[in-house]
Amino acid sequence: KAGVTQTPRYLIKTRGQQVTLSCSPISGHRSVSWYQQTPGQGLQFLFEYFSETQRNKGNFPGRFSGRQFSNSRSEMNVSTLELGDSALYLCASSRGEDIQYFGAGTRLSVL
Amino acid sequence: GEDVEQSLFLSVREGDSSVINCTYTDSSSTYLYWYKQEPGAGLQLLTYIFSNMDMKQDQRLTVLLNKKDKHLSLRIADTQTGDSAIYFCAESIGSNYQLIWGAGTKLIIKP
Repeated sequence: KAGVTQTPRYLIKTRGQQVTLSCSPISGHRSVSWYQQTPGQGLQFLFEYFSETQRNKGNFPGRFSGRQFSNSRSEMNVSTLELGDSALYLCASSRGEDIQYFGAGTRLSVL
Repeated sequence: GEDVEQSLFLSVREGDSSVINCTYTDSSSTYLYWYKQEPGAGLQLLTYIFSNMDMKQDQRLTVLLNKKDKHLSLRIADTQTGDSAIYFCAESIGSNYQLIWGAGTKLIIKP
């Protein structure tokens, strides 16, 4: 069974641009969660989607948004990028209320 | 609020056992997890334990949960150089699907 796939693996953007990250969950998993990992703040929860609905949201500004498609694939968008958005963005999938499995992450660098 | 704490570093000799400790504050945890992160990589699920269990063993890994003291530990028997990584403790709480993370413990293996 294929694992969680995140694309792209690396991104370089400049301040003010926007970016879209993609996550394909494990087949059969309907929940996708997104996390931001930085050296200073550690791992922080962004949001979680289940069956195309956002069920839970962390404390991030509105520049961070997401969506989930009918095939459970999810995208995360960050608009008006700031230097502080440089991070490893991790996606996790689960069946809904249980174990979360992570992808390899997308490393975003904002210049 | 919810909080998960871990010491930042642990140094052990190759072949010895490693014990990584974690304390959490929310008594309504449903699952408690251990994830492993190698440099430049995503999070690998190592093991997990339901909150109604006291112990779980999986090959070289032993997880102990003390609910009274809100203490979780991960023991790695016969530690090898390939075990060098950062180990994260995390808890999921009730119907809130986000994970609350510790800061991670860097395991250093001495030859």
